[in-house]
Amino acid sequence: DAGVIQSPRHEVTEMGQEVTLRCKPISGHNSLFWYRQTMMRGLELLIYFNNNVPIDDSGMPEDRFSAKMPNASFSTLKIQPSEPRDSAVYFCASSLSGRAYEQYFGPGTRLTVT
Amino acid sequence: AQSVTQLDSQVPVFEEAPVELRCNYSSSVSVYLFWYVQYPNQGLQLLLKYLSGSTLVKGINGFEAEFNKSQTSFHLRKPSVHISDTAEYFCAVSVVGGNQFYFGTGTSLTVIP
Repeated sequence: DAGVIQSPRHEVTEMGQEVTLRCKPISGHNSLFWYRQTMMRGLELLIYFNNNVPIDDSGMPEDRFSAKMPNASFSTLKIQPSEPRDSAVYFCASSLSGRAYEQYFGPGTRLTVT
Repeated sequence: AQSVTQLDSQVPVFEEAPVELRCNYSSSVSVYLFWYVQYPNQGLQLLLKYLSGSTLVKGINGFEAEFNKSQTSFHLRKPSVHISDTAEYFCAVSVVGGNQFYFGTGTSLTVIP
């Protein structure tokens, strides 16, 4: 298996632009997690899905952030409009349902907003 | 609520020396405990996990950790480190039956030749 796939690996954009991060979970995994990693706040859970349904989005910082999972093999995290403070590494992880203790992480997307 | 505290943000250690990375957690319910490793410019990789049973857990790359319920600790150890162990290490806790991970702030391990 190729593992969790994230794209792009690096994204540089200007303040105010829309940013879309993409994730393909491991085939057969039906739980998907989006995390954000910064020096100041460490690793934070933004949202997670189970069977394509958002279960807990309490970690989403504000309305500028939205996440979707239209099917079992694809999820997006969108920031519109982006701000410099959104600069971070965004990770996607997946697991089997009920086995969130065994999450597999993607390589991350490093986002820089100027 | 659950929380994880990693007491050392940076740990420098000479090659072939032993190392211990400390982790304490807080929870009012039963938890699972984990250590993840993050190599530069990579995602997190599961190093080891404690779910139940023996309190001494062995993981990949010669690492082990011991669950101490009375001290609410889950310290990570390795008897002899290599240059390739230089990485960021994260302790994490998950409530039994839950879906969320709570990560510590990480410990940066630097192995000095």
